[in-house]
Amino acid sequence: DTEVTQTPKHLVMGMTNKKSLKCEQHMGHRAMYWYKQKAKKPPELMFVYSYEKLSINESVPSRFSPECPNSSLLNLHLHALQPEDSALYLCASGGVYEQYFGPGTRLTVT
Amino acid sequence: QKEVEQDPGPLSVPEGAIVSLNCTYSNSAFQYFMWYRQYSRKGPELLMYTYSSGNKEDGRFTAQVDKSSKYISLFIRDSQPSDSATYLCAMSQNTGFQKLVFGTGTRLLVSP
Repeated sequence: DTEVTQTPKHLVMGMTNKKSLKCEQHMGHRAMYWYKQKAKKPPELMFVYSYEKLSINESVPSRFSPECPNSSLLNLHLHALQPEDSALYLCASGGVYEQYFGPGTRLTVT
Repeated sequence: QKEVEQDPGPLSVPEGAIVSLNCTYSNSAFQYFMWYRQYSRKGPELLMYTYSSGNKEDGRFTAQVDKSSKYISLFIRDSQPSDSATYLCAMSQNTGFQKLVFGTGTRLLVSP
């Protein structure tokens, strides 16, 4: 099973809202990732968790807060976002040689 | 110069054609190479991954890596309209966890 699941599929939020994105994998991978993707651009890395510890933070604004409750779950907490944060947010999990992406959450900030 | 270069296309071919998609890179430390297919408004789907130089085949897809030329290719045989999508190459030098460097993606259009 090479599936990464993400919820919700779509999210519309105001600039004062607090929301969370969720990601789950059952491939036994010990690395999980958050990416942001704008239209017609490749994914941009935001965070990497390795063995449930934050290993990379690509200078992401503090209004994005990741959390890894266990080796199968990854959350991204959102607060006080800006309209320019509207994008497709992708979760991925990785083995030694490869990464598998989830379907993404399409986020619109109004 | 970008670390990974990929022609954005679009590349238009008739159904049944052999498609060649390519990326060049400048960092000789890259060891892991991946190809993803992404349909509009969907997450990238891993098609092929290879480690180091050589060829790898899976059904209609063949991935080729030439580390001496810093050049990777994805060949699609008997292309179908359902292959119309954006194809992203990605590569990394890490083990344990990977920091992928992506190409810009090539948009492929296969006409019936």
